[in-house]
Amino acid sequence: DAKTTQPPSMDCAEGRAANLPCNHSTISGNEYVYWYRQIHSQGPQYIIHGLKNNETNEMASLIITEDRKSSTLILPHATLRDTAVYYCIVSGSGNTGKLIFGQGTTLQVKP
Amino acid sequence: GAVVSQHPSWVICKSGTSVKIECRSLDFQATTMFWYRQFPKQSLMLMATSNEGSKATYEQGVEKDKFLINHASLTLSTLTVTSAHPEDSSFYICSAQGQILNTEAFFGQGTRLTVV
Repeated sequence: DAKTTQPPSMDCAEGRAANLPCNHSTISGNEYVYWYRQIHSQGPQYIIHGLKNNETNEMASLIITEDRKSSTLILPHATLRDTAVYYCIVSGSGNTGKLIFGQGTTLQVKP
Repeated sequence: GAVVSQHPSWVICKSGTSVKIECRSLDFQATTMFWYRQFPKQSLMLMATSNEGSKATYEQGVEKDKFLINHASLTLSTLTVTSAHPEDSSFYICSAQGQILNTEAFFGQGTRLTVV
């Protein structure tokens, strides 16, 4: 599975959009990009995933560049409850749920 | 969405004893479940893949005789930490995915193990 690179930390003002970048320059054609987040002392929570098209759900939007070498997770209106560690994970086709976590980005939403 | 439940949420045990952690998929069947361990201020580390009806697959460096995994049904996997020592104190998390590939995995709430 391709390796991902994320900034270790980011701040965001409450009510503003949070844009979390992820670099996955070695991604291969059949690998998906997954985003999870972990709030302190809880299990990770699924946010969104995609292959090559941009995706949107009730939680967030995922923008994947045309060359698929990077992506951005967008939380449109961040709240204090969005403070968490966000993980960008690349996983191959045929994935049965096995995920290799990197260090993630700690997002701090501030009032 | 689908729910994965872990039990217990936390446990304190004496050094040398064994502890069993359960992971259940509540509303879907999972032929494969995963066990992770997380130390303070670190990321999740995959320990093993639990396969229903067959032996678990352990990641490099994880002792299979110390961390016993049983996946006896499509909705239950158990992790037993045998002869626990203080260095085994950690946050243990399980996950499972439904039987459709390339969908999301669901995580349990985690089990905080403290060995004294």
